[in-house]
Amino acid sequence: EAGVAQSPRYKIIEKRQSVAFWCNPISGHATLYWYQQILGQGPKLLIQFQNNGVVDDSQLPKDRFSAERLKGVDSTLKIQPAKLEDSAVYLCASSSPTSLEQYFGPGTRLTVT
Amino acid sequence: KQEVTQIPAALSVPEGENLVLNCSFTDSAIYNLQWFRQDPGKGLTSLLLIQSSQREQTSGRLNASLDKSSGRSTLYIAASQPGDSATYLCAVRHNNNDMRFGAGTRLTVKP
Repeated sequence: EAGVAQSPRYKIIEKRQSVAFWCNPISGHATLYWYQQILGQGPKLLIQFQNNGVVDDSQLPKDRFSAERLKGVDSTLKIQPAKLEDSAVYLCASSSPTSLEQYFGPGTRLTVT
Repeated sequence: KQEVTQIPAALSVPEGENLVLNCSFTDSAIYNLQWFRQDPGKGLTSLLLIQSSQREQTSGRLNASLDKSSGRSTLYIAASQPGDSATYLCAVRHNNNDMRFGAGTRLTVKP
């Protein structure tokens, strides 16, 4: 079974630029999550999708962050414009429909200079 | 406020020792609790998932327990090995679907 795929693995941008991350969940997983992990901290949930609908985006900074999952499969997270404090690892996860056990991708390490 | 705390933040043990990692949560209305391992520069690897109706789960040398009434979970690692060195994170899914992670315990097992 293929795991959660994410790209790119690393990205360096200047502040005020825009960036997009891509995630492809495990086949059959209807629920998809985007997390932000700042160095030394646990992941913080940004947004949760059930199929192509948003379940929870209460911690997503909507003035600069957006996410979509148009066909209920892969998803894109965008930051525009980026700030220095957005430097973090962005993790995508998906969960099985029965147990809700989460499986994570390798993450995208973003550095904003 | 739903908070998850992991203590200690870092732990160093000699190879072969048994050890316990702790996770505490403030809101006992949980749906499940999941333990993860994170290696430097990598994503999270699921170790054990405990549903709210369960008291413990075991996988190989790992055993996780859950006590909802006291708001605690422990991860027991038997006969630790240098390959167990990593950061261990617990994540609590509450009944309102809110997901909270602890900051993790960084474990070092010395040969």
